[in-house]
Amino acid sequence: AQSVSQHNHHVILSEAASLELGCNYSYGGTVNLFWYVQYPGQHLQLLLKYFSGDPLVKGIKGFEAEFIKSKFSFNLRKPSVQWSDTAEYFCAVIPWGNNRLAFGKGNQVVVIP
Amino acid sequence: EAGVAQSPRYKIIEKRQSVAFWCNPISGHATLYWYQQILGQGPKLLIQFQNNGVVDDSQLPKDRFSAERLKGVDSTLKIQPAKLEDSAVYLCASGETNTEAFFGQGTRLTVV
Repeated sequence: AQSVSQHNHHVILSEAASLELGCNYSYGGTVNLFWYVQYPGQHLQLLLKYFSGDPLVKGIKGFEAEFIKSKFSFNLRKPSVQWSDTAEYFCAVIPWGNNRLAFGKGNQVVVIP
Repeated sequence: EAGVAQSPRYKIIEKRQSVAFWCNPISGHATLYWYQQILGQGPKLLIQFQNNGVVDDSQLPKDRFSAERLKGVDSTLKIQPAKLEDSAVYLCASGETNTEAFFGQGTRLTVV
């Protein structure tokens, strides 16, 4: 079945550490890619998106993601995390042609001050 | 710009009762989604509307769940009768075709 995979569901980091969250998808054609974040008690918010062009995209709050087509991946990175980055992070995909936004299971990230 | 509005925020019902959730999407958004998010999991798409037509309801348990989007704007999601395993957060989102979705705060349903 077509899917979005996120590994290492729980991540615990210290402030100033670097963060990388993996995302792989199994759709064979062209896709639009997203990372969403859900801070405690808040609704899902868009961090960044990729439709086409430069495969390295920058989002809000210092996050960036790199699309590697050959690996079907869209990994999220932040060089130096802060306590306020404690949240759940979701990768999502829309395959061109079906307009269906599918999510991965998420990564729960806890940043220790 | 007003966001996606959902109500109620919280609902507690007994199993076998009925419940309905309401969603008002961002004005002008053609696509409306309903997702179910169980604790510890990612959002699972229940149903997707394009204007007032259903484009995907393959994961909607149609024996107990129903949804409608009258006039291509507001939407309601109903569960009748509810089961214990329906306890989850129900998320509504809207967007333009093939672009990012904007989410509401969700409705947390507890079935006891």
